[in-house]
Parts: sequence; structure tokens; C-alpha cells
Amino acid sequence: QQQVKQSPQSLIVQKGGISIINCAYENTAFDYFPWYQQFPGKGPALLIAIRPDVSEKKEGRFTISFNKSAKQFSLHIMDSQPGDSATYFCAASGYGGATNKLIFGTGTLLAVQP
Amino acid sequence: SAVISQKPSRDICQRGTSLTIQCQVDSQVTMMFWYRQQPGQSLTLIATANQGSEATYESGFVIDKFPISRPNLTFSTLTVSNMSPEDSSIYLCSVDRSQETQYFGPGTRLLVL
Repeated sequence: QQQVKQSPQSLIVQKGGISIINCAYENTAFDYFPWYQQFPGKGPALLIAIRPDVSEKKEGRFTISFNKSAKQFSLHIMDSQPGDSATYFCAASGYGGATNKLIFGTGTLLAVQP
Repeated sequence: SAVISQKPSRDICQRGTSLTIQCQVDSQVTMMFWYRQQPGQSLTLIATANQGSEATYESGFVIDKFPISRPNLTFSTLTVSNMSPEDSSIYLCSVDRSQETQYFGPGTRLLVL
């Protein structure tokens, strides 16, 4: 019940295309859903986050879509660029947000081809 | 955001030895977290460290193997004790700055031979 399932494991997208990464959770107590971007040799960096009171959040080329009834959320990267090539992790936490432990998905390795 | 540094950035250690990893934050934070990321894998929380109290360990992690110190609001250490090759991982600290999200340090890359 504490798991966050992430798919796909890897993704290849052409430059300018849309990258879509999906996550699903079981624990309805989760109330904070961040996405992290990790480049090789670096720590994860927060990309965008959403709470379940909204269905979508957009920041630049990055959009989170959230479906509370299905317990699913996804990251969309519009106009994907080679610089977006990285590993992306979804995560979830409950009971007030990031002050509690984050449960991470398994990660998606994104390669954007020029 | 928060500026987080970790020392060492990487190390190669012999089996049976111990390594202490330091995490320094540029401002005071209440909660600090330690994660392990095995090669090509996701992040797994080891423990949560609050200043002035003992760390809280997650299932599968014990204090004897991963002792943690939190002497003040800007600093913490994680020791990996009696290391084996299975401990080869990236160890990351993170902080909760604004109760909105966790910010991660650059990680310590550990190889145990």
C-alpha cells in the first residue's frame, strides 16, 4: 500500500515530441506528489509538484495531470529537448507533505534524440 | 530552495571498514533525511534525523549499521559501518526547508571492495 508504481522504465522521444511518464499509488492518505529530475552524478532536483485538490499543474514545458479517483498522476514534458535527457522519479507523501517520508517510484530513464 | 553539500563526494573503501558521510545545509532546518540509491535504482529512505532526538529508522535499516548524528540544525552525519560490497551505493541527504518539498544534496558515491 506504500508503493508508487512508475512506468515506463525507459523512454525514447524525438526532439520536439511529448514525453509522458505515469505513476500510480494505492494509499489514499498521500496528499503530496512531487516529480524529481536526476542527471548522472547529481542528486535529484525537484521539478514540479501537485496536491490532490487540483487536477493539473503546469510550469513551463512541464505539466502534472492528476486523477484522484484513479489514484494516478503523470508528467508531461512538452517540446522535449536533448537537455531533458535524465532519470525522472515520481514520489508521494502523506499527512501534510514533504515533512514526512517520500515514497519514490522506480524511475524512468528518458532519452531525447536530436 | 536550500544549498546542501556532502562530503566526501565519492570514496572507495575496503570491506569491514566504516565511512562517515557529512551533510551541511546553508540554513537551519528541522528535518534531515538520509536516502540510499543503489546503482540504477530508486531512492530508499534510511532514516529521518531531527535535531536533539534520536534518528528514526525505516524498516530494514538499523542504528548499529547506519548510526546518525544531528548535532545542530545545519549538520548531520551518516556512518556506514562494517561495510560489505552490498553497501556500494549513492547516499543522499535531503532537507525539508518549507514543509513543501525536500531538497537533495549531490550525494556520496561509495564503492566497497
